[in-house]
Amino acid sequence: DTAVSQTPKYLVTQMGNDKSIKCEQNLGHDTMYWYKQDSKKFLKIMFSYNNKELIINETVPNRFSPKSPDKAHLNLHINSLELGDSAVYFCASSQDLRGDTQYFGPGTRLTVL
Amino acid sequence: DQQVKQNSPSLSVQEGRISILNCDYTNSMFDYFLWYKKYPAEGPTFLISISSIKDKNEDGRFTVFLNKSAKHLSLHIVPSQPGDSAVYFCAASTRTSGSRLTFGEGTQLTVNP
Repeated sequence: DTAVSQTPKYLVTQMGNDKSIKCEQNLGHDTMYWYKQDSKKFLKIMFSYNNKELIINETVPNRFSPKSPDKAHLNLHINSLELGDSAVYFCASSQDLRGDTQYFGPGTRLTVL
Repeated sequence: DQQVKQNSPSLSVQEGRISILNCDYTNSMFDYFLWYKKYPAEGPTFLISISSIKDKNEDGRFTVFLNKSAKHLSLHIVPSQPGDSAVYFCAASTRTSGSRLTFGEGTQLTVNP
């Protein structure tokens, strides 16, 4: 039973389109995150939510909008996709805000053409 | 400004020998450190962690050492096994500021049979 799942695993789309990536965790955790791994392989936090409340919002373009319908889900919506958005996006969750141990999903590879 | 650095992009060792992966950090406020392992096309998996009040933490074949004065930590794997071949990420956080993990760029470990 997958703890943190993401869909889709691969996403290929044209510049200018709007797309969403979904994330679900069945661990009963309170806190969820989105990370971006760029071409240089750095994993950088984008957002975190705790009990559906936005906690961390790094300097991410406002074309990126996270949505948390409940504490088990954190979806990422991206408007007006650009070439530079191509990356692997990872969702993660942790028990609480201390975030000591974060559990990651398998990643979504987004390619913008 | 890369606050967590893994200066070796790759490391190759023989099966049965010790693997030593290194990580340096610049932010003296970091007080919790983690190592994650990542296989291709999967998300990072938590491996081992250490609090800044300790200088060593051991879990089976994996030991993490922390040298606060040098702002350096290392992960020792002994004996190394071919299944340990993966990318290893060092991460750090400031527990007082919650769940923001800062990752290094990763080291690709290859264990040769």
